[in-house]
Amino acid sequence: EVQLVESGGGLVKPGGSLRLSCAASGFTFKSYTMNWVRQAPGKGLEWVASISPSGYLLYYVESVQGRFTVSRDNAKSALYLQMNSLRVEDTAIYSCARYGSDGSGLDFWGQGNLVTVSS
Amino acid sequence: DIQMTQSPSSLSASVGDRVTITCRASQGISDYLHWYQHKSGKAPQLLMFRASSLQSGVPSRFSGSGSGTDFTLTITGLQPEDFATYYCQQTFSAPWTFGPGTEVEI
Repeated sequence: EVQLVESGGGLVKPGGSLRLSCAASGFTFKSYTMNWVRQAPGKGLEWVASISPSGYLLYYVESVQGRFTVSRDNAKSALYLQMNSLRVEDTAIYSCARYGSDGSGLDFWGQGNLVTVSS
Repeated sequence: DIQMTQSPSSLSASVGDRVTITCRASQGISDYLHWYQHKSGKAPQLLMFRASSLQSGVPSRFSGSGSGTDFTLTITGLQPEDFATYYCQQTFSAPWTFGPGTEVEI
Protein backbone atom coordinates (compact mmCIF):
# COMPACT_ATOMS: atom_id res chain seq x y z
CA GLU A 1 0.00 0.00 0.00
CA VAL A 2 1.35 3.41 -1.00
CA GLN A 3 1.75 5.71 1.98
CA LEU A 4 2.99 9.29 2.23
CA VAL A 5 3.33 10.78 5.70
CA GLU A 6 4.35 14.38 6.25
CA SER A 7 5.96 15.79 9.38
CA GLY A 8 7.76 18.89 10.57
CA GLY A 9 5.03 21.49 10.43
CA GLY A 10 4.18 23.94 13.19
CA LEU A 11 4.15 27.57 14.21
CA VAL A 12 6.97 29.83 13.11
CA LYS A 13 7.51 33.59 13.13
CA PRO A 14 7.77 35.59 9.91
CA GLY A 15 11.30 35.37 8.58
CA GLY A 16 11.84 32.02 10.24
CA SER A 17 12.60 28.60 8.79
CA LEU A 18 11.02 25.18 8.86
CA ARG A 19 11.82 21.85 7.25
CA LEU A 20 9.04 19.53 6.17
CA SER A 21 9.60 15.82 5.62
CA CYS A 22 7.57 13.24 3.77
CA ALA A 23 8.16 9.55 4.45
CA ALA A 24 7.19 7.32 1.54
CA SER A 25 6.49 3.61 1.54
CA GLY A 26 4.78 0.95 -0.54
CA PHE A 27 6.40 1.87 -3.87
CA THR A 28 9.79 2.30 -5.53
CA PHE A 29 10.38 5.87 -4.38
CA LYS A 30 13.44 6.49 -6.55
CA SER A 31 11.40 5.97 -9.72
CA TYR A 32 8.90 8.80 -9.23
CA THR A 33 8.76 12.57 -9.49
CA MET A 34 7.60 13.95 -6.15
CA ASN A 35 5.78 17.16 -5.35
CA TRP A 36 4.72 19.54 -2.63
CA VAL A 37 1.26 21.09 -2.84
CA ARG A 38 -0.27 23.52 -0.36
CA GLN A 39 -3.67 24.87 0.54
CA ALA A 40 -3.93 28.14 2.41
CA PRO A 41 -6.94 28.67 4.68
CA GLY A 42 -10.05 29.24 2.59
CA LYS A 43 -8.09 28.97 -0.65
CA GLY A 44 -7.61 26.40 -3.39
CA LEU A 45 -4.80 24.00 -4.11
CA GLU A 46 -1.44 25.46 -5.10
CA TRP A 47 1.40 23.42 -6.53
CA VAL A 48 4.62 24.46 -4.79
CA ALA A 49 7.54 22.37 -6.00
CA SER A 50 8.58 19.28 -7.91
CA ILE A 51 11.70 17.12 -7.92
CA SER A 52 12.67 14.55 -10.52
CA PRO A 53 13.44 10.93 -9.57
CA SER A 54 17.19 11.57 -9.62
CA GLY A 55 16.85 14.83 -7.74
CA TYR A 56 18.58 16.81 -10.46
CA LEU A 57 15.54 18.61 -11.87
CA LEU A 58 13.82 21.02 -9.52
CA TYR A 59 10.85 23.26 -10.21
CA TYR A 60 9.12 25.86 -8.03
CA VAL A 61 6.17 28.19 -8.09
CA GLU A 62 7.46 31.74 -8.46
CA SER A 63 6.26 32.86 -5.03
CA VAL A 64 8.65 30.47 -3.24
CA GLN A 65 11.58 30.59 -5.67
CA GLY A 66 14.77 31.42 -3.77
CA ARG A 67 13.19 30.77 -0.37
CA PHE A 68 12.15 27.11 -0.53
CA THR A 69 14.30 24.15 -1.50
CA VAL A 70 12.95 20.72 -2.38
CA SER A 71 15.22 17.70 -1.96
CA ARG A 72 15.02 13.95 -1.62
CA ASP A 73 16.94 11.02 -0.17
CA ASN A 74 16.14 7.99 -2.31
CA ALA A 75 18.00 5.66 0.06
CA LYS A 76 15.60 6.69 2.84
CA SER A 77 12.51 7.09 0.61
CA ALA A 78 12.15 10.61 1.94
CA LEU A 79 11.15 13.94 0.46
CA TYR A 80 11.95 17.28 2.05
CA LEU A 81 10.96 20.92 1.77
CA GLN A 82 13.29 23.45 3.38
CA MET A 83 11.37 26.67 3.87
CA ASN A 84 13.32 29.84 4.67
CA SER A 85 12.31 33.49 4.98
CA LEU A 86 8.77 32.40 5.72
CA ARG A 87 5.95 34.87 5.22
CA VAL A 88 2.47 35.07 6.67
CA GLU A 89 1.10 34.14 3.26
CA ASP A 90 2.98 30.82 3.41
CA THR A 91 0.54 29.66 6.07
CA ALA A 92 -1.08 26.53 4.65
CA ILE A 93 -1.49 22.80 4.85
CA TYR A 94 1.43 21.31 2.95
CA SER A 95 1.02 17.91 1.32
CA CYS A 96 3.45 15.72 -0.53
CA ALA A 97 2.18 13.94 -3.61
CA ARG A 98 3.51 11.38 -6.06
CA TYR A 99 3.39 12.09 -9.78
CA GLY A 100 2.28 8.94 -11.53
CA SER A 101 4.23 7.31 -14.31
CA ASP A 102 3.58 8.43 -17.90
CA GLY A 103 2.28 11.79 -16.78
CA SER A 104 -0.72 10.33 -15.02
CA GLY A 105 -1.31 13.09 -12.49
CA LEU A 106 -0.72 13.28 -8.74
CA ASP A 107 -1.96 9.81 -7.93
CA PHE A 108 -1.12 9.52 -4.22
CA TRP A 109 -1.17 12.23 -1.58
CA GLY A 110 -0.24 12.53 2.04
CA GLN A 111 -2.73 13.83 4.61
CA GLY A 112 -0.92 17.13 4.91
CA ASN A 113 0.90 19.07 7.61
CA LEU A 114 -0.06 22.52 8.84
CA VAL A 115 2.47 25.33 8.70
CA THR A 116 1.45 28.54 10.46
CA VAL A 117 3.53 31.68 10.02
CA SER A 118 2.53 34.26 12.57
CA SER A 119 4.10 36.68 15.01
CA ASP B 1 3.10 30.51 -16.70
CA ILE B 2 -0.02 28.69 -17.85
CA GLN B 3 -3.16 30.02 -16.21
CA MET B 4 -6.07 27.68 -15.53
CA THR B 5 -9.68 28.82 -15.22
CA GLN B 6 -12.72 26.80 -14.19
CA SER B 7 -16.42 27.38 -14.53
CA PRO B 8 -18.64 27.54 -12.72
CA SER B 9 -16.97 28.43 -9.43
CA SER B 10 -19.79 26.68 -7.63
CA LEU B 11 -22.98 24.84 -8.46
CA SER B 12 -25.93 23.31 -6.72
CA ALA B 13 -27.32 20.04 -8.04
CA SER B 14 -29.55 17.16 -7.03
CA VAL B 15 -28.84 13.48 -6.67
CA GLY B 16 -29.07 11.86 -10.08
CA ASP B 17 -28.22 15.02 -12.02
CA ARG B 18 -25.66 15.26 -14.76
CA VAL B 19 -23.02 17.84 -13.86
CA THR B 20 -20.42 19.35 -16.16
CA ILE B 21 -17.41 21.39 -15.06
CA THR B 22 -15.21 23.13 -17.58
CA CYS B 23 -11.51 23.97 -17.37
CA ARG B 24 -9.61 26.22 -19.74
CA ALA B 25 -5.87 26.65 -20.12
CA SER B 26 -4.33 29.95 -21.22
CA GLN B 27 -2.29 28.07 -23.83
CA GLY B 28 -2.30 24.61 -25.35
CA ILE B 29 -1.41 21.81 -22.95
CA SER B 30 -2.11 18.80 -25.17
CA ASP B 31 -3.85 16.34 -22.85
CA TYR B 32 -1.74 16.99 -19.74
CA LEU B 33 -4.83 17.85 -17.76
CA HIS B 34 -5.91 16.06 -14.60
CA TRP B 35 -8.97 16.31 -12.36
CA TYR B 36 -9.08 15.97 -8.58
CA GLN B 37 -11.82 15.72 -6.01
CA HIS B 38 -11.12 17.31 -2.65
CA LYS B 39 -13.21 16.94 0.47
CA SER B 40 -12.49 19.07 3.52
CA GLY B 41 -10.02 17.44 5.89
CA LYS B 42 -9.06 14.72 3.44
CA ALA B 43 -6.32 14.27 0.88
CA PRO B 44 -7.27 15.21 -2.68
CA GLN B 45 -8.14 12.26 -4.89
CA LEU B 46 -7.12 11.90 -8.52
CA LEU B 47 -10.23 11.25 -10.64
CA MET B 48 -9.09 11.59 -14.24
CA PHE B 49 -5.63 11.79 -15.75
CA ARG B 50 -4.49 12.85 -19.20
CA ALA B 51 -7.89 14.48 -19.75
CA SER B 52 -9.96 11.36 -20.33
CA SER B 53 -8.45 8.39 -18.47
CA LEU B 54 -10.31 7.21 -15.40
CA GLN B 55 -8.08 6.62 -12.39
CA SER B 56 -8.25 3.12 -10.96
CA GLY B 57 -10.99 2.74 -8.36
CA VAL B 58 -12.92 5.84 -9.43
CA PRO B 59 -16.59 5.24 -10.27
CA SER B 60 -17.48 5.19 -13.95
CA ARG B 61 -20.00 8.01 -13.50
CA PHE B 62 -16.98 10.31 -13.79
CA SER B 63 -15.71 11.09 -17.27
CA GLY B 64 -13.44 13.64 -18.87
CA SER B 65 -12.78 15.04 -22.30
CA GLY B 66 -10.86 17.69 -24.13
CA SER B 67 -7.49 18.53 -25.57
CA GLY B 68 -5.48 21.65 -26.21
CA THR B 69 -7.06 24.40 -24.13
CA ASP B 70 -10.61 23.28 -23.31
CA PHE B 71 -11.56 20.42 -21.04
CA THR B 72 -14.62 19.09 -19.26
CA LEU B 73 -15.33 16.85 -16.30
CA THR B 74 -18.76 15.24 -16.30
CA ILE B 75 -20.50 13.44 -13.45
CA THR B 76 -23.40 11.38 -14.77
CA GLY B 77 -25.81 10.47 -12.01
CA LEU B 78 -24.59 12.63 -9.11
CA GLN B 79 -24.34 10.81 -5.77
CA PRO B 80 -24.43 12.32 -2.24
CA GLU B 81 -20.75 11.44 -1.74
CA ASP B 82 -19.84 13.62 -4.73
CA PHE B 83 -20.26 16.77 -2.64
CA ALA B 84 -16.75 18.21 -2.87
CA THR B 85 -14.55 20.73 -4.61
CA TYR B 86 -13.13 19.75 -7.98
CA TYR B 87 -9.84 21.03 -9.36
CA CYS B 88 -8.18 20.73 -12.71
CA GLN B 89 -4.38 20.82 -12.99
CA GLN B 90 -2.02 21.04 -15.94
CA THR B 91 1.34 19.27 -15.94
CA PHE B 92 2.33 20.30 -19.46
CA SER B 93 4.89 22.77 -18.18
CA ALA B 94 6.12 24.01 -14.81
CA PRO B 95 4.75 25.59 -12.73
CA TRP B 96 2.08 22.89 -12.66
CA THR B 97 -0.89 25.14 -12.03
CA PHE B 98 -4.26 24.21 -10.60
CA GLY B 99 -7.55 25.78 -11.52
CA PRO B 100 -9.35 27.76 -8.81
CA GLY B 101 -11.78 24.95 -8.09
CA THR B 102 -15.49 24.24 -8.52
CA GLU B 103 -17.54 23.59 -5.41
CA VAL B 104 -20.37 21.11 -5.98
CA GLU B 105 -23.21 21.33 -3.51
CA ILE B 106 -25.83 18.64 -3.39
